[in-house]
Amino acid sequence: DQQVKQNSPSLSVQEGRISILNCDYTNSMFDYFLWYKKYPAEGPTFLISISSIKDKNEDGRFTVFLNKSAKHLSLHIVPSQPGDSAVYFCAASRLDQGAQKLVFGQGTRLTINP
Amino acid sequence: GAVVSQHPSWVICKSGTSVKIECRSLDFQATTMFWYRQFPKQSLMLMATSNEGSKATYEQGVEKDKFLINHASLTLSTLTVTSAHPEDSSFYICSADRVGGYEQYFGPGTRLTVT
Repeated sequence: DQQVKQNSPSLSVQEGRISILNCDYTNSMFDYFLWYKKYPAEGPTFLISISSIKDKNEDGRFTVFLNKSAKHLSLHIVPSQPGDSAVYFCAASRLDQGAQKLVFGQGTRLTINP
Repeated sequence: GAVVSQHPSWVICKSGTSVKIECRSLDFQATTMFWYRQFPKQSLMLMATSNEGSKATYEQGVEKDKFLINHASLTLSTLTVTSAHPEDSSFYICSADRVGGYEQYFGPGTRLTVT
């Protein structure tokens, strides 16, 4: 049962253009959503998050949008830079047995072409 | 801030031996520490959750007698893979969260290879 899904395994974008990464979830109990960036053989790096009571959060070039009715969130990166090339994971958080646990999507490999 | 370290970064061991992996939060006290496993080209799967001084909570399908977790302090958690087998070969990553926060901060991971 894949509660968090990233349906695009890969995405290729021209440098300077907008990158849009998508994520869908099924469990309405999730109360917080996060995006992480990951390089091979390294741990994920936190990028940006959004509470379930909001529909948008912005931090520099990164903006996350949340559509609760559609159970969908997206990460926009603009303008895209070569250093943004990595695997991006969306994660959903819920309180479970006293801890805020994360459920990760499968990841989307973003490649920024010069 | 919010730096998490892991040691070792990679380890090779023989079948039947045990391996200990350390996870430390360097500049903050962690409310909770988490252990994940990632297979090649797959997502991160939560194995267990631990709080200082209490028993770890294991996710469904994770053998608690095989993956021993000790959470000795607010900045240190260890994962011991006991009687390792080749199928335990994987990338193990720990994370920690802070009081009142939702974000988890991840260590760099440990590549375990069991021969």
